[in-house]
Amino acid sequence: DTEVTQTPKHLVMGMTNKKSLKCEQHMGHRAMYWYKQKAKKPPELMFVYSYEKLSINESVPSRFSPECPNSSLLNLHLHALQPEDSALYLCASSQGLLRRTHSYEQYFGPGTRLTVT
Amino acid sequence: DQQVKQNSPSLSVQEGRISILNCDYTNSMFDYFLWYKKYPAEGPTFLISISSIKDKNEDGRFTVFLNKSAKHLSLHIVPSQPGDSAVYFCAAKSNTGNQFYFGTGTSLTVIP
Repeated sequence: DTEVTQTPKHLVMGMTNKKSLKCEQHMGHRAMYWYKQKAKKPPELMFVYSYEKLSINESVPSRFSPECPNSSLLNLHLHALQPEDSALYLCASSQGLLRRTHSYEQYFGPGTRLTVT
Repeated sequence: DQQVKQNSPSLSVQEGRISILNCDYTNSMFDYFLWYKKYPAEGPTFLISISSIKDKNEDGRFTVFLNKSAKHLSLHIVPSQPGDSAVYFCAAKSNTGNQFYFGTGTSLTVIP
């Protein structure tokens, strides 16, 4: 199984709503990532989890709150978002981040298309 | 500031010919490079990677070349097939952390 699944596929939310994006992988990967991608732009790294611990937070506003309940699941909790947060949110996983033992190849999910109204 | 650049937003190639996609980077601390392919409405799919200790890596129809002195890498697809039509992203990882940086992408169209 080399699949990363993301739910929901599409999400429309108001600026006062609270919602969550979910990501799941069963490849035994120990690194998981959240990216944000705007139209005609490259994916931008938001968060990296390594062995269920937050490894990187790329100066993301606190209205985005990641959570890694276990090694297979990654959530992104959303609260009080702005219209400019509308984008495709991609989850990815890789074996890990230890160069000698892990491959850096990231497997991406299909993304959640988020629209903030 | 974009640390990984793909200066050609689009490329068209005849089926059977070679496709060459280019990528430039500015950060000399990058030590691992990857190429991804993306179809509409799907997440990127890993294609091929190369470590900075190598200058070439080949996998079937795909070959990646790395020129560290020029801070340039390229992806060669030969022969090109219509199913290769997609957006191709190059990405780089810094040896100082776990950040991955993506280029802006090149849209490849292979004409039958």
